Amino acid sequence: QVQLVQSGAEVKKPGASVKVSCKASGYTFTHFFIHWLRQAPGQGLEWMGWINPSNGVTTSAQQFQGRVTMTRDTSISTAYVDLSRLKSADTAVYYCARSLMKDLYFDLWGRGTLVTVSS
Amino acid sequence: QSVLTQPPSASGTPGQRVTISCSGSSSNIGRGYVYWYQQLPGTAPTVLIYRNDQRRPGVPDRFSGSKSGTSASLAIDGLRSEDEADYHCAMWDDSLSGWVFGGGTKLTVL
Repeated sequence: QVQLVQSGAEVKKPGASVKVSCKASGYTFTHFFIHWLRQAPGQGLEWMGWINPSNGVTTSAQQFQGRVTMTRDTSISTAYVDLSRLKSADTAVYYCARSLMKDLYFDLWGRGTLVTVSS
Repeated sequence: QSVLTQPPSASGTPGQRVTISCSGSSSNIGRGYVYWYQQLPGTAPTVLIYRNDQRRPGVPDRFSGSKSGTSASLAIDGLRSEDEADYHCAMWDDSLSGWVFGGGTKLTVL
């Protein structure tokens, strides 16, 4: 079954870091880009960045540069996003999604991971 | 503040035609393709329309997309209760080397 399975919900304190995983199955992991997006409660979607699993090259949105790290482990077909120096405004559902090319639409999404930042 | 602008809400009665707009500028919509995603309550988005007006296989032909200048629209004909969802426009922005989204439109079927 072609799917992206994300890790479970997280609760973090301000200033901490969070790492969310996204395991691909049913397709060749290195043939598709993996993007990370988030959606704050009641808000729209915000793109965070992408990773090319075939070579590990990443690009992140300007507002996340310096705080976000995207990695992958091809041996287990899993991508990761690490967001540091968390603030309450980072409370959101974090999604991974794949695309055949970095500028083509997202044709497969994970179910999302809720990250709550609260003191 | 989203790069692309959508109305926060839209509504219609069953059978009606509803249109959702997405406006941008000459540096984004005016230069590239617009995509539309549907997000049913409590689920992840799925793509409806790609490259301005192409329906993804399996999407009913009640859904159509268009683009003119720096604006794009999603139209839903013969509105049905199951169309109640959030709709997001998106596009790849070459100048940012990344994806930009509208703020999303919540469609209510009355």
